[in-house]
Amino acid sequence: EVQLVESGGGLVQPGGSLRLSCAASGFTFSSYWMHWARQAPGKGLVWVSRINNDGSSTSYADSVKGRFTISRDNAKNTLYLQMNSLRADDTAVYYCAREGSGIAPPFDPWGQGTLVTVSS
Amino acid sequence: SYELTQPPSVSVSPGQTASITCSGDKLGNKYACWYQQKPGQSPVLLIYQDIKRPSGIPERFSGSNSGNTATLTISGTQAMDEADYYCQAWDSSTVVFGGGTKLTVL
Repeated sequence: EVQLVESGGGLVQPGGSLRLSCAASGFTFSSYWMHWARQAPGKGLVWVSRINNDGSSTSYADSVKGRFTISRDNAKNTLYLQMNSLRADDTAVYYCAREGSGIAPPFDPWGQGTLVTVSS
Repeated sequence: SYELTQPPSVSVSPGQTASITCSGDKLGNKYACWYQQKPGQSPVLLIYQDIKRPSGIPERFSGSNSGNTATLTISGTQAMDEADYYCQAWDSSTVVFGGGTKLTVL
């Protein structure tokens, strides 16, 4: 069974840092591009970041560029999101998702999410 | 930046057909996909490349995309279909989601 399990969320003060992890299983992790997306409480989905299969190429939403870093360890089948200079508006459930194949690939599956709360 | 617009809410009676729209500039020239999210759960892929259904997704879910509008159609809507629905498209190498539509089955 293909599975993605996020961890690392929690309460952090404004200006603080947090590293999220996403453990993958049930598929060849090193063959897939991966993404992070987030959802603020009661709000919609927002794409955050993307990384290619070997980690050599990344992209970010403007709202997190320069503050967040996506990375991966294919030996550990794990995706990461390092979040620095956190702000209150970064409060959200963060999901990792696998990018499908083909043209305009969809996200499938998604992890269960991990909640990040930025507050003093 | 590219934007996708969805109606905040749609209501439908059980057994009837629900249509949820997603609008964006020349969206028909891109591929759209759709996700379903029930309360407290992660999004689930319903439709990709405008019209394709992943295995396990019921046939009552279908999609179309033309001009500036992609549409998710749910035929014979069931109570279990009450959820939030999000469209998504690619703009160059970035991903764009619509704001989401809450489907109420009443």
